[in-house]
Amino acid sequence: LAKTTQPISMDSYEGQEVNITCSHNNIATNDYITWYQQFPSQGPRFIIQGYKTKVTNEVASLFIPADRKSSTLSLPRVSLSDTAVYYCLVAQGNTGKLIFGQGTTLQVKP
Amino acid sequence: KAGVTQTPRYLIKTRGQQVTLSCSPISGHRSVSWYQQTPGQGLQFLFEYFSETQRNKGNFPGRFSGRQFSNSRSEMNVSTLELGDSALYLCASSATLSGGGDTQYFGPGTRLTVL
Repeated sequence: LAKTTQPISMDSYEGQEVNITCSHNNIATNDYITWYQQFPSQGPRFIIQGYKTKVTNEVASLFIPADRKSSTLSLPRVSLSDTAVYYCLVAQGNTGKLIFGQGTTLQVKP
Repeated sequence: KAGVTQTPRYLIKTRGQQVTLSCSPISGHRSVSWYQQTPGQGLQFLFEYFSETQRNKGNFPGRFSGRQFSNSRSEMNVSTLELGDSALYLCASSATLSGGGDTQYFGPGTRLTVL
């Protein structure tokens, strides 16, 4: 099973771009890389998912190098409301089982 | 389109009791997965149901069980509650059997407290 490793915490300021890098050395061919955001006492909210190269949506970008052993979530111009825990995880392609790591607690300061 | 709904949102039980939690997936979604979240263990996968059949199972004791109905709604049951079962229980739905990039969408969770 592919486990993920990401920084436990990060600090940023409003208006800055935040990049959170995650490593997943044992990722399998059929696995997808997915990021979720979670606020206290709420369910995780899907942010973005990708398989390789770059994926962009209205809230974030996901960069995945060719070897797929890591990925970087990029949040442009963060605001105070982006303070949350961000989970990088691998969705197993054959079972879909999500393996959650400890997540990165992002603190955005004014 | 309405999101994933879970009932009840909060529940208080005592040790030894049993509890049933309910999850209604997004309309059209056929897969429902259950997760347990605690401060110590984080988010852990319990099981997944698709077309009324359990397809995947995590490493939890047999006291944790579930089922899915023909309308894709799912229930999770925990028998003989222990203090350590206090947690946020989350369900997630996806259109098909999750995998191959099919995104799972989470509900708000049920906060279970065991006294």
